[in-house]
Amino acid sequence: EIVLTQSPGTLSLSPGERATLSCRASQSVSNDYLGWYQQKPGQAPRLLIYAASGRAIGIPDRFSGSGSGTDFTLTISRLEPEDFAVYFCQQYGSSPWTFGQGTKVEIK
Amino acid sequence: QVQLVQSGAEVKKPGASMKVSCKASGYPFTGYGITWVRQAPGQGLEWMGWISAYNGATNYAQKLQGRVTMTTDTSTSTAYMELRSLRSDDTAIYYCARVGGFGELSWGQGTLVTVSS
Repeated sequence: EIVLTQSPGTLSLSPGERATLSCRASQSVSNDYLGWYQQKPGQAPRLLIYAASGRAIGIPDRFSGSGSGTDFTLTISRLEPEDFAVYFCQQYGSSPWTFGQGTKVEIK
Repeated sequence: QVQLVQSGAEVKKPGASMKVSCKASGYPFTGYGITWVRQAPGQGLEWMGWISAYNGATNYAQKLQGRVTMTTDTSTSTAYMELRSLRSDDTAIYYCARVGGFGELSWGQGTLVTVSS
């Protein structure tokens, strides 16, 4: 199975700063089928990015995804107060689908 | 818009079975698959498997093979996930999600299942 390793574990930033989150796969993700999700306490995950770089409907353009193969990045260009949350990557290119362990973006 | 509404929280004894429902609306049910994901308290996300709402084909996580069954009822646009022989480490929030054309997931609200004697 593909293991996804996210880094850093925690990112401490201030509103207005740029956040760069990494997701590295143990082997190439087929078709770059890699998604990014945001999760806030007590809520279900929310889709941000699909297929590595496709922004989901209704997601602000400050969120962007990039990468291919084994290295993927989620960038939040300028953090808004509502962006402080946990972010997961997920690959669905091969079975079993797998998730990264998450990166927590917290207020500095 | 896509909406998935799951059944309510449950408390189960070890060894028992659970069955969570997931009622879909806002899209043609048989045109998409449903996946199930769980999240233990304070932990990350674990993929459990997938079912095609079109023909009922399934793909289960190897770890759960033999204990999990996913089904759909196209007449009511509802998906079900049954997990048997429950253990304490099955305590988790269980999510269903619709699998979109690019693999993107649209999530239900989650169902908390607590396994405790």
